[in-house]
Amino acid sequence: AQSVTQLDSQVPVFEEAPVELRCNYSSSVSVYLFWYVQYPNQGLQLLLKYLSGSTLVKGINGFEAEFNKSQTSFHLRKPSVHISDTAEYFCAVSEERGKLIFGQGTELSVKP
Amino acid sequence: EPEVTQTPSHQVTQMGQEVILRCVPISNHLYFYWYRQILGQKVEFLVSFYNNEISEKSEIFDDQFSVERPDGSNFTLKIRSTKLEDSAMYFCASSGTSGPLDEQFFGPGTRLTVL
Repeated sequence: AQSVTQLDSQVPVFEEAPVELRCNYSSSVSVYLFWYVQYPNQGLQLLLKYLSGSTLVKGINGFEAEFNKSQTSFHLRKPSVHISDTAEYFCAVSEERGKLIFGQGTELSVKP
Repeated sequence: EPEVTQTPSHQVTQMGQEVILRCVPISNHLYFYWYRQILGQKVEFLVSFYNNEISEKSEIFDDQFSVERPDGSNFTLKIRSTKLEDSAMYFCASSGTSGPLDEQFFGPGTRLTVL
């Protein structure tokens, strides 16, 4: 069965600092990986996805993630965060039928 | 920009009552989903719907739950007899025409409170 683990429930960081949000997955078949962001009182919005090809994926708002098959990881990074990046971030995995399996979420808090 | 909408934003109901949560997916999308998030827990898949039938459902989606696309625009989730543990945020999502791995667009959610 598929599962996703986000290792950090909360990540506080200062503005303009780099950040990495960690995500590990388990699956017995080919996987497709996603990062979603949820701003307060809003739905989830896709940041980026990995389906195939280059293991370094670039998304919106300056975020990127790297698929590492040997470590079963898909960590999200941003070289310099802004106050507006404060939100909850969810890593998710899917098989071909589209069902998303989410991790527990990481609350990113950017401080001035 | 097209978006998924959900009504109501907040629903309060008594245990044992039926509730219907409504969603309007993006108009040319073909795949529809319901997820829920119990407070403090992860977002969980409930059901996916394609070509007017359920394509996949989770263990949570028991006989108390049903989904329907009654017309060309709405996608509803019905809980027949609500339980306290059904209290959660329910998200509707839809994805487009290239297949189920298209980006899923999420609505803002309906917060269901069962008393």
